[in-house]
Amino acid sequence: RKEVEQDPGPFNVPEGATVAFNCTYSNSASQSFFWYRQDCRKEPKLLMSVYSSGNEDGRFTAQLNRASQYISLLIRDSKLSDSATYLCVVTRGSTLGRLYFGRGTQLTVWP
Amino acid sequence: NAGVTQTPKFRVLKTGQSMTLLCAQDMNHEYMYWYRQDPGMGLRLIHYSVGEGTTAKGEVPDGYNVSRLKKQNFLLGLESAAPSQTSVYFCASSSDLVGWDEQFFGPGTRLTVL
Repeated sequence: RKEVEQDPGPFNVPEGATVAFNCTYSNSASQSFFWYRQDCRKEPKLLMSVYSSGNEDGRFTAQLNRASQYISLLIRDSKLSDSATYLCVVTRGSTLGRLYFGRGTQLTVWP
Repeated sequence: NAGVTQTPKFRVLKTGQSMTLLCAQDMNHEYMYWYRQDPGMGLRLIHYSVGEGTTAKGEVPDGYNVSRLKKQNFLLGLESAAPSQTSVYFCASSSDLVGWDEQFFGPGTRLTVL
C-alpha cells in the first residue's frame, strides 16, 4: 500500500466553483502534513501546512482527521490561476527529513 | 537570494554515458534532497544529506551517487545512464529535518536517456 493516496482526478471546474481534494495516508505515525502545489513543468511549492485543528488561508481550507488518517483541501471560489496539480505530503518522525508524496490531483479551472 | 538552483535544465544522454547534476542553495540550509518525478509515480526520494560531508539513501538510490562536499552544494551522479533514468530530477533543501518546515525545490532538470 502506498504511503499516501490521493484522488486521481483530473478535476475540471468552472471559475467560482468549490472543489475538494482528499488524501489518505497509511502510517499512523505520520507526523506532519502539507499540501504542495505544482504548476505544469514547474517545481512543487508549499501551499499550506495542515494542522490538527484545521486551518484556513484565504480561499483554501485544510482539514486533518488523524483517526481516519485522512487529509482534505477545499478551494472556494476557484480562479483560473488555481489550475495546477495539488500534492498531498506527509512526514514521519521515524524517517527524518523524508517527505512522502501522493501522486497528485490535477485541477483545471475553466472560464 | 536565488533560493535553490539546478544545472543543467535539460540534458540528453546515450545509454552508458555519465553525468553530474548540480544543486546549489543560498539559504544556509543543512538538509538537501534529490528527488525524481515520473508520470503517475509522484516524487520519489533518491538520496539526501543532513549536512556537509554526509549522505544517505532514500527510496530509489540504485544507479545514483551523491556528494555534499560543501554545505551549499549537493551533486547527483549517474555513472552509467539507463533509459529507466529518464525523468525529471528535483533538488530541494530545508532548514528542518523533523519535517515541520517547508522544503524548497529547485526548478528541475529534465533528463532523457536514449
